[in-house]
Amino acid sequence: DTGVSQNPRHKITKRGQNVTFRCDPISEHNRLYWYRQTLGQGPEFLTYFQNEAQLEKSRLLSDRFSAERPKGSFSTLEIQRTEQGDSAMYLCASSHYRANTEAFFGQGTRLTVV
Amino acid sequence: AQSVTQLDSQVPVFEEAPVELRCNYSSSVSVYLFWYVQYPNQGLQLLLKYLSGSTLVKGINGFEAEFNKSQTSFHLRKPSVHISDTAEYFCAVSGGSYIPTFGRGTSLIVHP
Repeated sequence: DTGVSQNPRHKITKRGQNVTFRCDPISEHNRLYWYRQTLGQGPEFLTYFQNEAQLEKSRLLSDRFSAERPKGSFSTLEIQRTEQGDSAMYLCASSHYRANTEAFFGQGTRLTVV
Repeated sequence: AQSVTQLDSQVPVFEEAPVELRCNYSSSVSVYLFWYVQYPNQGLQLLLKYLSGSTLVKGINGFEAEFNKSQTSFHLRKPSVHISDTAEYFCAVSGGSYIPTFGRGTSLIVHP
């Protein structure tokens, strides 16, 4: 068990460019979450997968954001036409299918839009 | 809907003193409660969790928390803090949707 892995750890991009982040959850976890965290705030929920199905999306997830989890394994989060307000830490977490187990977090991807 | 309120944005304390970080929650269903710790530029690490049973929960690094249903609280305590406990602490609640909702966090600052 190597934990939740996120890549890249850091990303600097110019405004208007597209970026994609990857998350590899713990292998037997079927639930996967994406959160966004800005300085001095707690993680804000973006979206949730159970296996390959995207079951819930936050209103924070604008049309420029899209997430996928093909085959219920790794997940990607893409942001199109990035804006400076997208600068944040993007956190991925996974949890086991058994009810009420805790979410395990990756180290996050810090996005800076210049 | 569920929500979490962390009543203190910052808690300064001297080393070896006791500390309490406050958390109140609201939820329309049975709740499961968590405390996480985050060090700079890191992800979140679970300190402890309440799922059911005893209302006093013990976690890692000497932390404990007490679930109080009537006051809808889940305060985190440590009898004697160390410099290394300086970090951000987040309270979280999840219910039927299994999606954790986090508070805004409390910055614990331990002074020598």
